[in-house]
Amino acid sequence: GAVVSQHPSRVICKSGTSVKIECRSLDFQATTMFWYRQFPKQSLMLMATSNEGSKATYEQGVEKDKFLINHASLTLSTLTVTSAHPEDSSFYICSASEGSNQPQHFGDGTRLSIL
Amino acid sequence: LAKTTQPISMDSYEGQEVNITCSHNNIATNDYITWYQQFPSQGPRFIIQGYKTKVTNEVASLFIPADRKSSTLSLPRVSLSDTAVYYCLVGEGDYKLSFGAGTTVTVRA
Repeated sequence: GAVVSQHPSRVICKSGTSVKIECRSLDFQATTMFWYRQFPKQSLMLMATSNEGSKATYEQGVEKDKFLINHASLTLSTLTVTSAHPEDSSFYICSASEGSNQPQHFGDGTRLSIL
Repeated sequence: LAKTTQPISMDSYEGQEVNITCSHNNIATNDYITWYQQFPSQGPRFIIQGYKTKVTNEVASLFIPADRKSSTLSLPRVSLSDTAVYYCLVGEGDYKLSFGAGTTVTVRA
């Protein structure tokens, strides 16, 4: 149980393109999901908290107009990187928890490469 | 968010037991302690979670002293495939987590 699926696993696209990444909780409902970014040889950095039915909460320094988050249902959150540029190239990972006393489970990540 | 401190790296050999200690001096009453394993280009994988005393599952044990200001992840009889980065995190399950640098465990033949 407690599986989080992330799609796509890899994206390569040209500069200026907008890219959408999906995060789904397959066997549980999640009112809250989280989006992280990870650069090579570094740890995960929390970008934002995705809240079902309301606006996402962004961490300091993360541009909300650049990284659009939509949490339209209890099993799906999407992250859209708008007008992506090479510096947005990174590994993006989502996570979700079944509840307050349950651990977070992570997707397998999306490798985004902007040419 | 409770901050954690753990060793940057550890080396071991196949068949040995690996113990990674994490310090979390400002852990809150409602916080749980959770350990994750991450391989390159993959999302972190849940290993074990505990609140106090000892927790054991099929892959690891977690030891938590009474004051809860630290915890130790124990990996019995490691193999080459256990080479990974291990993260210790504290917090509530559905609340945001802050990842530290983690511990890179290298298992050698």
